[in-house]
Amino acid sequence: AQKITQTQPGMFVQEKEAVTLDCTYDTSDQSYGLFWYKQPSSGEMIFLIYQGSYDEQNATEGRYSLNFQKARKSANLVISASQLGDSAMYFCAMRDQITSGSRLTFGEGTQLTVNP
Amino acid sequence: DTGVSQNPRHKITKRGQNVTFRCDPISEHNRLYWYRQTLGQGPEFLTYFQNEAQLEKSRLLSDRFSAERPKGSFSTLEIQRTEQGDSAMYLCASSLGTNQPQHFGDGTRLSIL
Repeated sequence: AQKITQTQPGMFVQEKEAVTLDCTYDTSDQSYGLFWYKQPSSGEMIFLIYQGSYDEQNATEGRYSLNFQKARKSANLVISASQLGDSAMYFCAMRDQITSGSRLTFGEGTQLTVNP
Repeated sequence: DTGVSQNPRHKITKRGQNVTFRCDPISEHNRLYWYRQTLGQGPEFLTYFQNEAQLEKSRLLSDRFSAERPKGSFSTLEIQRTEQGDSAMYLCASSLGTNQPQHFGDGTRLSIL
């Protein structure tokens, strides 16, 4: 069963606008963590932001914020004021305590293109 | 600030040969992970070490694959008798703890001729 679903294979945004990348997850665990990573064409995986299942506030890191809706099991990434350098593949990942232990389970990714 | 280092960056080999990759984690990180990523997909978990102990192995890790982390420092991933299907990017990551972010290296891209 798919544990992480990213329904947008590709997204386009104009420079300086905000964009939301969708992520839904499936777990029966109460304790879990959600992560977003950026992978530019050069290949390295860059950690962006983390949300714990017990965190009451939505996580924010600079221009990145996470719209965490626990009841809907969604953890969407919001990038504000997009820059050309934000063009990359973005992966949502989850770690849940019981079924996956320490491993991360990744979605299939969303390719974001920022247009000038 | 030294990140996760992987060597080599690229490896091209003939089918049936053995290959070995090395990963040097961030120095204070006691957890080390190996993932495999094929084109257009997200990374898939292979195995996990806490210090020198290999605590988890994926079913993807066939008996041709072996990983070690002697003394809880660097790790090696060996693939014996390589097959076409082994062509992929092999990513190493490390973290301070289970709920801490995993930081990835640049990966080793394996191509099987």
